[in-house]
Amino acid sequence: AQRVTQPEKLLSVFKGAPVELKCNYSYSGSPELFWYVQYSRQRLQLLLRHISRESIKGFTADLNKGETSFHLKKPFAQEEDSAMYYCALTHAGNMLTFGGGTRLMVKP
Amino acid sequence: ETGVTQSPTHLIKTRGQQVTLRCSSQSGHNTVSWYQQALGQGPQFIFQYYREEENGRGNFPPRFSGLQFPNYSSELNVNALELDDSALYLCASSLAGTGGNEQFFGPGTRLTVL
Repeated sequence: AQRVTQPEKLLSVFKGAPVELKCNYSYSGSPELFWYVQYSRQRLQLLLRHISRESIKGFTADLNKGETSFHLKKPFAQEEDSAMYYCALTHAGNMLTFGGGTRLMVKP
Repeated sequence: ETGVTQSPTHLIKTRGQQVTLRCSSQSGHNTVSWYQQALGQGPQFIFQYYREEENGRGNFPPRFSGLQFPNYSSELNVNALELDDSALYLCASSLAGTGGNEQFFGPGTRLTVL
């Protein structure tokens, strides 16, 4: 069975500091990995996916199959990055398995 | 383009009752997935519907059931409500295909079971 683990419930950084939100997964096949974000009073939305290899709002994430990780990184955090971040994987049919989420707080 | 909508926004039920939650998918999407999000946890996959058939199911008992209609809207039904069913229920729509297609989430329905 697949599983996604986000070890930090809360991550607090100062504006301009680097950010790394950790995500580890367990799955025997080749999953597709995503980061979803939920800003205050907004709905859950896709931030980025590993197959796109893109940078969104300055965030990047690299899939490390050896370490089964998909950590989300940003070199310089902004206050507007404060939100709830969820790592998720899917193996078929867009059925997502989510981690427990990490709340990112960026302090001024 | 209309986004995913859900109704009602919130409701309160008592143990043993039945509840129906509704979801309208985003325009052009033919697949609907339902998730349960308990307080402080990530969303958990309940089931998915494609072409009016259940297309996959998570670890939820049979008292959780669903429907998808020809216009791709969907219902989630929960029978014999239990206190642990209190949660935010999220609906997400997408286009059928291989994994990797973006899911678009609705605002959720908050269910409280007393």
